[in-house]
Amino acid sequence: AQTVTQSQPEMSVQEAETVTLSCTYDTSESDYYLFWYKQPPSRQMILVIRQEAYKQQNATENRFSVNFQKAAKSFSLKISDSQLGDAAMYFCAYRGGYGGSQGNLIFGKGTKLSVKP
Amino acid sequence: NAGVTQTPKFRILKIGQSMTLQCAQDMNHNYMYWYRQDPGMGLKLIYYSVGAGITDKGEVPNGYNVSRSTTEDFPLRLELAAPSQTSVYFCASSRGDEGIFSYEQYFGPGTRLTVT
Repeated sequence: AQTVTQSQPEMSVQEAETVTLSCTYDTSESDYYLFWYKQPPSRQMILVIRQEAYKQQNATENRFSVNFQKAAKSFSLKISDSQLGDAAMYFCAYRGGYGGSQGNLIFGKGTKLSVKP
Repeated sequence: NAGVTQTPKFRILKIGQSMTLQCAQDMNHNYMYWYRQDPGMGLKLIYYSVGAGITDKGEVPNGYNVSRSTTEDFPLRLELAAPSQTSVYFCASSRGDEGIFSYEQYFGPGTRLTVT
C-alpha cells in the first residue's frame, strides 16, 4: 500500500523568506501523481501544485515550486517570498496512475506553517 | 459554477442518532469521494463513486453508507452515530478520465460533526 510521510509537524518562516516543506512517499507504482494542498483555518482544501511522476521537470506555480526526486521518493514544497496568507496546514498527497487505483488521494498528516511578520 | 457544496456546515449528534451529509457538484464530474479528517491527521477515504449507481468502500467505511443515484449528488449516511465518528467530513470530485488535470480533486468546504 502507498504511504505518504510528512516529517515536520510544524514549521515557521519569517515574512518574505523562503521555506521548504518535506514529503516522502512509498509506492511500487511507476505511474503516479503528487499534489500539495493548502488548508487555511477556513478548512477549505486548496490545490497548490501538482506533479506528474513521469515528468522530470519540477512543477512551479508562481511563488511555489517543488523538488521532485523520483529515485528518493521525495516531493518537497518550496515557498518563496513567504506571505502572511501562506500560513496554513499543508498536505502532501499521492494518487496512483490511471487504471491502477480507485482514484483517491492518499494524504500525509500535514505540516502546520506559521508566518511571522 | 458553485463547485462542490456540502450541507450542513456543523452538526452535533447524540450517540445512536442517524443523519445524512449532503454533497453536490455541478461540474459534471464522474468521480466523487468522501473523506474524513481527524484532528492532527490527513484525510482518509470513506467511500467513493466512479459514476451514478457505482460506489465502493475506501479505507474507513465502517459505520457509513453512500448512494449515487445521479451524477451530481453523493450523500453520506451515518447510522447509529458513535463518538469515534466525530470528525470533519469532506466531499470531493474529479473528472475521472485520464490525465493529471482530470485527477485534480475539488473539495467542498467540509462538515464538522460532533457526536456526544
